Amino acid sequence: DTEVTQTPKHLVMGMTNKKSLKCEQHMGHRAMYWYKQKAKKPPELMFVYSYEKLSINESVPSRFSPECPNSSLLNLHLHALQPEDSALYLCASSRENGEGYTFGSGTRLTVV
Amino acid sequence: AQSVSQHNHHVILSEAASLELGCNYSYGGTVNLFWYVQYPGQHLQLLLKYFSGDPLVKGIKGFEAEFIKSKFSFNLRKPSVQWSDTAEYFCAVNGRKAAGNKLTFGGGTRVLVKP
Repeated sequence: DTEVTQTPKHLVMGMTNKKSLKCEQHMGHRAMYWYKQKAKKPPELMFVYSYEKLSINESVPSRFSPECPNSSLLNLHLHALQPEDSALYLCASSRENGEGYTFGSGTRLTVV
Repeated sequence: AQSVSQHNHHVILSEAASLELGCNYSYGGTVNLFWYVQYPGQHLQLLLKYFSGDPLVKGIKGFEAEFIKSKFSFNLRKPSVQWSDTAEYFCAVNGRKAAGNKLTFGGGTRVLVKP
């Protein structure tokens, strides 16, 4: 299995909703990542988990809350988002030395 | 800190023309280098990558890239493009031993191939 699987593929949520994005990989990668990509822009790093511990938070607002329950799963909990948070959210994983970087197909999030 | 610069924001060319997209990076150590493609409305796909060894890397769909360490460059080439190569292309760098293996992307180059 050489894929990173993200669910759901599309999500529409209101500004008062709570939702979660899910990411799963079975490549034995010990580093997992969340990126945000706005239209016509490159992906921007949000969070990095290394061995299930948060190692980088790129000054992301607290309305985004990551969670890594085990070495194969990565969640992104969303609460009280703003319309400007609408974007494509990408999950990725890699070996601990950075090799094998693999992206999922993303969750397209719309906040209304 | 690592950074990536892509020289061209937009490129327009005709089918069968040759393509070269420039990419320069800044990082004080050893790097892993990548080119990704994103077709309209689709997710990122890896075209090719360089970790070590032969600096001329061949990828999918007839693309290749050359790592020139002295110039901090990793330019992407394709000898003859097709209409289906219309997409956005991102160069990315991952500095080895960088905390958390952060992948930094260039601003992207939008390529339009006219039939």
